[in-house]
Amino acid sequence: GEDVEQSLFLSVREGDSSVINCTYTDSSSTYLYWYKQEPGAGLQLLTYIFSNMDMKQDQRLTVLLNKKDKHLSLRIADTQTGDSAIYFCAETSGSARQLTFGSGTQLTVLP
Amino acid sequence: GAVVSQHPSRVICKSGTSVKIECRSLDFQATTMFWYRQFPKQSLMLMATSNEGSKATYEQGVEKDKFLINHASLTLSTLTVTSAHPEDSSFYICSARKGVITEAFFGQGTRLTVV
Repeated sequence: GEDVEQSLFLSVREGDSSVINCTYTDSSSTYLYWYKQEPGAGLQLLTYIFSNMDMKQDQRLTVLLNKKDKHLSLRIADTQTGDSAIYFCAETSGSARQLTFGSGTQLTVLP
Repeated sequence: GAVVSQHPSRVICKSGTSVKIECRSLDFQATTMFWYRQFPKQSLMLMATSNEGSKATYEQGVEKDKFLINHASLTLSTLTVTSAHPEDSSFYICSARKGVITEAFFGQGTRLTVV
């Protein structure tokens, strides 16, 4: 089946850039997503990218997609303490286009 | 963005009782709704996919008689955990999709504790 992998932890200093990486196995993925989850809360969609795009930028967020290597990254510029959360990458697959999630990356922003 | 409301946010119930969780799309019609389960510090596990007016499609290993899903309208899906046991304690999250190729929006989750 499809598999999505992420590193579990990332720590950065406030004001630095954060880069969260994700790899996936399904070559037929059409949309790839980044979600943010704060403690005890649901998931907030941050951004998504269509598989025929290489890059998408939205304010402090930059998504890079290397379809050949099946690698997705999320860069957060000028990381703030409010960015501390778990970040999930996900891809759509299956006839119902359900999401397959990575394990999540716990981002900790240090003052 | 679209809003998905999940209710209740927290529930504590006694072992052997049933609990119903509601998921509503507030400002759009959801053709498809998904139910996930999340264990502490783990990713989301898809439990089932439901389309309005039809039976839910359950993922392998998910007991359909234990986790009853009803998607009676384009704005409401319910998950009922029947005869709950402590091992059913978890964080349950729903999501709703507007169309076939659109992003899914998530509810705020329900923390279920079975005592």
